[in-house]
Amino acid sequence: KAGVTQTPRYLIKTRGQQVTLSCSPISGHRSVSWYQQTPGQGLQFLFEYFSETQRNKGNFPGRFSGRQFSNSRSEMNVSTLELGDSALYLCASSSLAGAVGEQYFGPGTRLTVT
Amino acid sequence: GESVGLHLPTLSVQEGDNSIINCAYSNSASDYFIWYKQESGKGPQFIIDIRSNMDKRQGQRVTVLLNKTVKHLSLQIAATQPGDSAVYFCAEKGGNEKLTFGTGTRLTIIP
Repeated sequence: KAGVTQTPRYLIKTRGQQVTLSCSPISGHRSVSWYQQTPGQGLQFLFEYFSETQRNKGNFPGRFSGRQFSNSRSEMNVSTLELGDSALYLCASSSLAGAVGEQYFGPGTRLTVT
Repeated sequence: GESVGLHLPTLSVQEGDNSIINCAYSNSASDYFIWYKQESGKGPQFIIDIRSNMDKRQGQRVTVLLNKTVKHLSLQIAATQPGDSAVYFCAEKGGNEKLTFGTGTRLTIIP
């Protein structure tokens, strides 16, 4: 079974731009969660989608948004990028909703904002 | 994923010895706990989980202990191997169904 894939793996953007990251979950998984990982703040929950609906959201500004498609693939978008948005963005898929059970993480997208 | 944190707590253990990684969690209402392992260049990998109605759970070479009285979680790894070198995170889930991660501990296995 193929693992969670994230594209692109690396991205460099300029302040003020926007970016869209993509996540393809494990086949059959309907839950996709997104996390931001930085040296200073560690791993922080962004949001979770299940069956195309956002089930949960972390404490991030409205510039961070996401969506999930009918095939469970998910995208997250960050608008008006700030230097502090530089981070590793991880997605995780699961067969269960609500952060219960085993979540499978992708390798992440390394975003650098200059 | 890449290695995280410039100032993580570190633990160095001789190969073949047992290691214990500790985690203090914050929310007394958390009902579910997970340990993750993150190797350099990879995303976190699920190791083992435990629900709040248990105080111990064993897996292959790993044991998780939960002490709700002092809000403490530990991960024991038996007979450590070089492949165990990684950053280890604990995570807790409260009633809001969000996972909150600890800062992580960098485990180094000395050959």
